[in-house]
Amino acid sequence: QMTQSPSSLSASVGDRVTITCQASQDITNSLSWYQHKPGKAPKLLLYDASILQTGVPSRFSGSGSGTDFTFTITSLQPEDIATYYCQQYDNLLFTFGPGTKVDIK
Amino acid sequence: QVQLVESGGGVVQPGGSLRLSCAASGFTFSHYSMHWVRQAPGKGLEWVALISYDGNFKYFADSVKGRFTISRDNSKNTLFLQLDNLRPEDTALYLCARVTLTFDWLLPFDSWGQGTLVTVSS
Repeated sequence: QMTQSPSSLSASVGDRVTITCQASQDITNSLSWYQHKPGKAPKLLLYDASILQTGVPSRFSGSGSGTDFTFTITSLQPEDIATYYCQQYDNLLFTFGPGTKVDIK
Repeated sequence: QVQLVESGGGVVQPGGSLRLSCAASGFTFSHYSMHWVRQAPGKGLEWVALISYDGNFKYFADSVKGRFTISRDNSKNTLFLQLDNLRPEDTALYLCARVTLTFDWLLPFDSWGQGTLVTVSS
């Protein structure tokens, strides 16, 4: 099971945004983060907890291992409005977190 | 470029069946394990099923085990999901996804389709 917080947040352009994700058991670093916009395919942003997928802006970052993980947008941009999901791939359940909806204040 | 296009969704009565397809292009389909993920209206992403690159290993979420079947035709670059004994709670957008690397499956998903909508209602 994966938990995420907050479930939603509202921030200003340029703000630092942080989302946390917690696993119910040790998943080492087998964690990815996705961005999902309505009507679009989900987009892989980070994998292995902290590795940026090719082509993803460097304002996105991730950290953590074991059970506790953090996702950060260092300077929120208007195009970052989306729902963000963490997902574990340490075991065959490939569980997603419940998502964090990010919008602009 | 990698492209995944789902089809086969529709409206079906409880207890009914549907077969979803995911047409893949732009990569060597037979080298990649594939997944189905769904999103119920207003809800988050839920992983549904995995099939290995060669079709020999399959795994399902508990919520669909025994009712859904995953398969693939590597000669036609197509992934399938057979949905049987459908329930109203199976109503969702069904998306196919590819893993990041070849010949493995405990991996994140780097390419996704946009989904096909399944509605289970009487």
